[in-house]
Amino acid sequence: NAGVTQTPKFQVLKTGQSMTLQCAQDMNHEYMSWYRQDPGMGLRLIHYSVGAGITDQGEVPNGYNVSRSTTEDFPLRLLSAAPSQTSVYFCASSYSHPTSGNTDTQYFGPGTRLTVL
Amino acid sequence: AQSVAQPEDQVNVAEGNPLTVKCTYSVSGNPYLFWYVQYPNRGLQFLLKYITGDNLVKGSYGFEAEFNKSQTSFHLKKPSALVSDSALYFCAVRTSGTYKYIFGTGTRLKVLA
Repeated sequence: NAGVTQTPKFQVLKTGQSMTLQCAQDMNHEYMSWYRQDPGMGLRLIHYSVGAGITDQGEVPNGYNVSRSTTEDFPLRLLSAAPSQTSVYFCASSYSHPTSGNTDTQYFGPGTRLTVL
Repeated sequence: AQSVAQPEDQVNVAEGNPLTVKCTYSVSGNPYLFWYVQYPNRGLQFLLKYITGDNLVKGSYGFEAEFNKSQTSFHLKKPSALVSDSALYFCAVRTSGTYKYIFGTGTRLKVLA
């Protein structure tokens, strides 16, 4: 198993540009999520999904869109990049209990380091 | 609202000494608590979790944590620190029935040889 993969590893954008951060997992996990990591702020949840076709907002969703058309993929789209979106982005996935819906241990990807000039 | 506090930005400990990394939480329901570790330029790795049952939880690499409901704490401990334990440690919480994880700001552990 490759686990959780993220592409690209590094990206530099100019203000106003758009881009998509890719995330894929091969563990058949229902739950997937996106976080951003900033110094002194820890990890903050951007968006999450509990299955194909189901997404919801996290703590800091503004400026980001997500969709979940398959179980494996959960791309994060930056609509119009701003310097405040300079950060390290992590995707994570976990098993979701089929009846209770409770999720368990998250597996994290290696991250994408994004700089917006 | 859910929250997690890691009161120490950095913890220094000598190799071979016991270590403690502190975490307190505030939730409105039953908490599910987690510890993750992050090595430089890497993603987070799971260490241990408390869901229910025994308050003392044992995890990877000799780490353990104790769930204390009255003090709303979940401190990470290890009896004898190694230089290779030097990393950034995150505490996280989720309440039963929700899908949102809240992470602390992280504690940098430095083990000195």
